[in-house]
Amino acid sequence: AQTVTQSQPEMSVQEAETVTLSCTYDTSESDYYLFWYKQPPSRQMILVIRQEAYKQQNATENRFSVNFQKAAKSFSLKISDSQLGDAAMYFCAYRSPRTGNQFYFGTGTSLTVIP
Amino acid sequence: DAGVTQSPTHLIKTRGQQVTLRCSPKSGHDTVSWYQQALGQGPQFIFQYYEEEERQRGNFPDRFSGHQFPNYSSELNVNALLLGDSALYLCASSWAGSSYNSPLHFGNGTRLTVT
Repeated sequence: AQTVTQSQPEMSVQEAETVTLSCTYDTSESDYYLFWYKQPPSRQMILVIRQEAYKQQNATENRFSVNFQKAAKSFSLKISDSQLGDAAMYFCAYRSPRTGNQFYFGTGTSLTVIP
Repeated sequence: DAGVTQSPTHLIKTRGQQVTLRCSPKSGHDTVSWYQQALGQGPQFIFQYYEEEERQRGNFPDRFSGHQFPNYSSELNVNALLLGDSALYLCASSWAGSSYNSPLHFGNGTRLTVT
């Protein structure tokens, strides 16, 4: 089974500041896809950003960007200009053609935004 | 455009009982996946249904079974409930023709408590 590790159970950030959430994964594959999901108290998992392993350029979606280091098997999420609505659990996820339809999730990081 | 809907929202059952959870996929989606999210953990893949058949299964016992109907909606059944089955059960839908970088679309989950 694939292993996805999020080593920061909890993080906090001041409103308007920048925070980085860490994620590492274990794989021997070269073709795979990585995702960050947000889970607010409403419980619905919402896609934040995704990255294809074959792309060298880091994905960006508005205030959210990733630092994808393929050799280090690292996929961190940077949130700029943090807003109160960013407070949630954040999950890193892995998927590959070999794993088929199964996504592998990390244990999550709880982000608190301080006003 | 209706998203993924799950019912019920909460459920309390006694050990040894059986439970059925329901899911309607997002409009245009034909594939339903079920995930179990224990407290403080990331979601874990139970199985996926497509064309009314189980297409892929995670590491869950046979007590967990499912069904998909012609309208693509799905049910998750758990027999002989154990205390350890207490969790948030998430349904996610997708379109079978989508690529591997396509995200899952999740519902709000069913919180199952086994006493």
